[in-house]
Amino acid sequence: DAKTTQPPSMDCAEGRAANLPCNHSTISGNEYVYWYRQIHSQGPQYIIHGLKNNETNEMASLIITEDRKSSTLILPHATLRDTAVYYCIVRVALVSADKLIFGTGTRLQVFP
Amino acid sequence: NAGVMQNPRHLVRRRGQEARLRCSPMKGHSHVYWYRQLPEEGLKFMVYLQKENIIDESGMPKERFSAEFPKEGPSILRIQQVVRGDSAAYFCASSPITGGSHEQYFGPGTRLTVT
Repeated sequence: DAKTTQPPSMDCAEGRAANLPCNHSTISGNEYVYWYRQIHSQGPQYIIHGLKNNETNEMASLIITEDRKSSTLILPHATLRDTAVYYCIVRVALVSADKLIFGTGTRLQVFP
Repeated sequence: NAGVMQNPRHLVRRRGQEARLRCSPMKGHSHVYWYRQLPEEGLKFMVYLQKENIIDESGMPKERFSAEFPKEGPSILRIQQVVRGDSAAYFCASSPITGGSHEQYFGPGTRLTVT
């Protein structure tokens, strides 16, 4: 079973920041938080991941609370092309990689 | 650098036939994962392979399904005697061999329809 809980859906106006929350209250010390998204019926796309520090890349920012029990993915200026299902996943990152366990995700609808 | 490639993109089979789905990982990646997505559901892990080895097949149905990743060539997911419940999108992902945190890069998927 997925170790994360996310709201089933969210709306966001184009150009505004989209803030997607995720709860992972049972996260272990060696588990990372990963975010993927799936646009329509395409293959999932990696967005960002982090352990305990906040992270930023060209796609998004990831804010992880100090106790690591929740996190927020921020799309700073949402566009219509960001409409997708967003998955928050916790997993151990080792030399030998492990499977991803997808939950139900958050369906983000960006409107004009 | 080409991404993960899957073929065919769409596959139609009649009940009882065999389905073969192929996945070519990204260049330099030696870890391959297969996931299945039923209509209106999330992705479910099926199997994780390295070259010539099955590492984790805990998500594979016990019968009719098999997977391989030979030394040369693509990874193959094989479904024998397909049934209507096998209709789904099958995604392959790959990740690199080196240490550190690994992102998985997904292919476009194969959509299997069983009639």
